[in-house]
Amino acid sequence: GQQVMQIPQYQHVQEGEDFTTYCNSSTTLSNIQWYKQRPGGHPVFLIQLVKSGEVKKQKRLTFQFGEAKKNSSLHITATQTTDVGTYFCAGPYNTDKLIFGTGTRLQVFP
Amino acid sequence: ETGVTQTPRHLVMGMTNKKSLKCEQHLGHNAMYWYKQSAKKPLELMFVYSLEERVENNSVPSRFSPECPNSSHLFLHLHTLQPEDSALYLCASSQGASGANVLTFGAGSRLTVL
Repeated sequence: GQQVMQIPQYQHVQEGEDFTTYCNSSTTLSNIQWYKQRPGGHPVFLIQLVKSGEVKKQKRLTFQFGEAKKNSSLHITATQTTDVGTYFCAGPYNTDKLIFGTGTRLQVFP
Repeated sequence: ETGVTQTPRHLVMGMTNKKSLKCEQHLGHNAMYWYKQSAKKPLELMFVYSLEERVENNSVPSRFSPECPNSSHLFLHLHTLQPEDSALYLCASSQGASGANVLTFGAGSRLTVL
């Protein structure tokens, strides 16, 4: 069954509002990756987190890896219409292959 | 060309047809993957090849048959598919097949089974 859950499943925000998606794993992860998929597009790698409690920033995006390495979050400050898409977290499971979370679809209204 | 290229981008087939999806990567990676993405389920890992050897077969029905003739090319042969197999099939590659490696995806092949 699915081992990586993301919440919320959907999020609609007004442009300029903040957005956060959460990723929860059933097991401890050696690393977690985040990908973005634009509507009609394919997943594109954003960032990888490895250390417990690690925080990384990319302009308006802030990524965090939990202390127990079982959860992660992606926070977008002051969303823009270019942020529209589905955000996936992914982590290695079972045979050390990358398994993707359920995704959070973000819609931004101008 | 650079990156990961998939052909065809769109495919419509009947349940009795045989078709193939092709993936080519120009990144010098040694691992290649097939993922299935449908409306009902998130990205599902189907097959993993590392150095042309299949290292993962994620309980995929035998009507899907992968082939990896070399580290740059990956095929997915399709036969006697079902309508529920309609989905976006994504190919990806990485430098190494462990879960620590970052994936580069192709644009996908949108498959419709009638």
